[in-house]
Amino acid sequence: AQKITQTQPGMFVQEKEAVTLDCTYDTSDQSYGLFWYKQPSSGEMIFLIYQGSYDEQNATEGRYSLNFQKARKSANLVISASQLGDSAMYFCAMSHFGGFKTIFGAGTRLFVKA
Amino acid sequence: NAGVTQTPKFQVLKTGQSMTLQCAQDMNHNSMYWYRQDPGMGLRLIYYSASEGTTDKGEVPNGYNVSRLNKREFSLRLESAAPSQTSVYFCASSGALQGQGETQYFGPGTRLLVL
Repeated sequence: AQKITQTQPGMFVQEKEAVTLDCTYDTSDQSYGLFWYKQPSSGEMIFLIYQGSYDEQNATEGRYSLNFQKARKSANLVISASQLGDSAMYFCAMSHFGGFKTIFGAGTRLFVKA
Repeated sequence: NAGVTQTPKFQVLKTGQSMTLQCAQDMNHNSMYWYRQDPGMGLRLIYYSASEGTTDKGEVPNGYNVSRLNKREFSLRLESAAPSQTSVYFCASSGALQGQGETQYFGPGTRLLVL
């Protein structure tokens, strides 16, 4: 069965430091995509970054990078140089190529301290 | 460019009442989705529409119906609301590039309270 696990309900990080949010996934399929979304306190879901299962390089988008370890089935989000505006809930998600059912983890709440 | 829009933003219903949540996207995406978000549970897929004219059940479809009105619009209907349907509802759309997963873009959400 497909499953996304985010083991950190809450994380604290000092402003300007880097932080890693963990995500592990379970699938028997070979073709899939992994996503991270940010949900600030205002409630909207914001797409951050995407990694395809066949991508050989880790995805990067500005201060966000995805540490993809396929053999370990992990897709951790790394935020460099944290900012106060990074305080939010972060969701890891997965869908299969050609499929439409995206599954989400329970989320990690990140608190950035000044 | 509005992206994905949802109406209403907030709604209070009494048990047994019906209502329709509206969603529209202007990104020319083929696929649209309805999710519900409950505390501590992430997002769960209610229904999706892979393309205009098709709809399919997701993980938690009971108590809901959907209509893909055209390529832009996808509505969610609660025929007889129950307190268990108190939640935040998100609409999303996606248009996959070949060989990639379906990156979804979300509307602002509708907060629904059923008394």
